[in-house]
Amino acid sequence: DGGITQSPKYLFRKEGQNVTLSCEQNLNHDAMYWYRQDPGQGLRLIYYSQIVNDFQKGDIAEGYSVSREKKESFPLTVTSAQKNPTAFYLCASDWGTGELFFGEGSRLTVL
Amino acid sequence: GENVEQHPSTLSVQEGDSAVIKCTYSDSASNYFPWYKQELGKGPQLIIDIRSNVGEKKDQRIAVTLNKTAKHFSLHITETQPEDSAVYFCAATLGAGSYQLTFGKGTKLSVIP
Repeated sequence: DGGITQSPKYLFRKEGQNVTLSCEQNLNHDAMYWYRQDPGQGLRLIYYSQIVNDFQKGDIAEGYSVSREKKESFPLTVTSAQKNPTAFYLCASDWGTGELFFGEGSRLTVL
Repeated sequence: GENVEQHPSTLSVQEGDSAVIKCTYSDSASNYFPWYKQELGKGPQLIIDIRSNVGEKKDQRIAVTLNKTAKHFSLHITETQPEDSAVYFCAATLGAGSYQLTFGKGTKLSVIP
């Protein structure tokens, strides 16, 4: 089955630690995205990538980093510089048409 | 940049009644308007979309209408069922030539049996 796989589903982090969230897609989509979801805030764009080895900052990129070494993979690192990292993180992909396919999400909690 | 306002933030309806969720956008060049449904603990799923050259689109019990002049679009769900209970997000593209989306803050729909 084609789709987007995010892992882990739940992650706990101590303050000051970096963590990396995985996102893999087998839909052959060119574009991939990372969104952050907080209660009552909707979805806010962190980073996006339209082709391999290229990515752009979204609206809330500070404290996050990404890489796009392979078409099917777009990992997100939440660094210690992110002041309020506890949130639900969603990865998505599309053919660059706006019709996004989302993963099931990763919930990060900072202890 | 684009700004999308979504109302109401919560909506409760009796099973069988209709539900309407409204969104307004700021960029007149926006040309693509999708709606997503998010069930608890899951990622959003595209349920219907509309492009700026169309005024209305239907898919069984759901429909979307677009008023380009007023810069607003709406989701209509008829004959609501308990499984329609979820959070619904509207979105709009940033502008002409862009498919990057700006999302509304969501509407939590509860269908009461």
